[in-house]
Amino acid sequence: AQSVSQHNHHVILSEAASLELGCNYSYGGTVNLFWYVQYPGQHLQLLLKYFSGDPLVKGIKGFEAEFIKSKFSFNLRKPSVQWSDTAEYFCAVNAHTGRRALTFGSGTRLQVQP
Amino acid sequence: DAMVIQNPRYQVTQFGKPVTLSCSQTLNHNVMYWYQQKSSQAPKLLFHYYDKDFNNEADTPDNFQSRRPNTSFCFLDIRSPGLGDAAMYLCATSRAKDQETQYFGPGTRLLVL
Repeated sequence: AQSVSQHNHHVILSEAASLELGCNYSYGGTVNLFWYVQYPGQHLQLLLKYFSGDPLVKGIKGFEAEFIKSKFSFNLRKPSVQWSDTAEYFCAVNAHTGRRALTFGSGTRLQVQP
Repeated sequence: DAMVIQNPRYQVTQFGKPVTLSCSQTLNHNVMYWYQQKSSQAPKLLFHYYDKDFNNEADTPDNFQSRRPNTSFCFLDIRSPGLGDAAMYLCATSRAKDQETQYFGPGTRLLVL
């Protein structure tokens, strides 16, 4: 069965600081990888996704993530965060074959202080 | 424009009293999903419909049922809610099952008294 680990549960940063949120998954086969964001009071929205090709993917609002297959990781990065990035961030994975249901990590709450 | 709509946004029910949550979509997507999300936890898939084909997760309690009368609507029925069923219930859709982004609704927060 696949699983997703997000080791940072709560991150507090000042504006303009750089961000890196960790995501590791366990699954032996080929996967699709996603980062979703949930702003306060809003629904889950797709930030970026990786299906194949260039392991460095760029998403909305200046976010990017790098898929490192050897490390089973898909870390999210942003060079300079803004107060409006305050949200909860979820990493998710589904398999190319077999059980294709989306498995989420437990989320990282990011708080950006002005 | 809203694409995945969930009603109501907040639902209060009594212990053991059946409750139905609804989801509708304007995307004409083939797949609809129901997730349960408890506080500070990851969304957990309960079941999904691929068109009319119902797929239940192995660990979804029998207390949870679903109906999809047409492409646009999907319902989550909780036959006898317990205190442990209080959670946010998320509906999502995708065009197909493979390599497809899921689009989420705002969720319905269920409170069981």
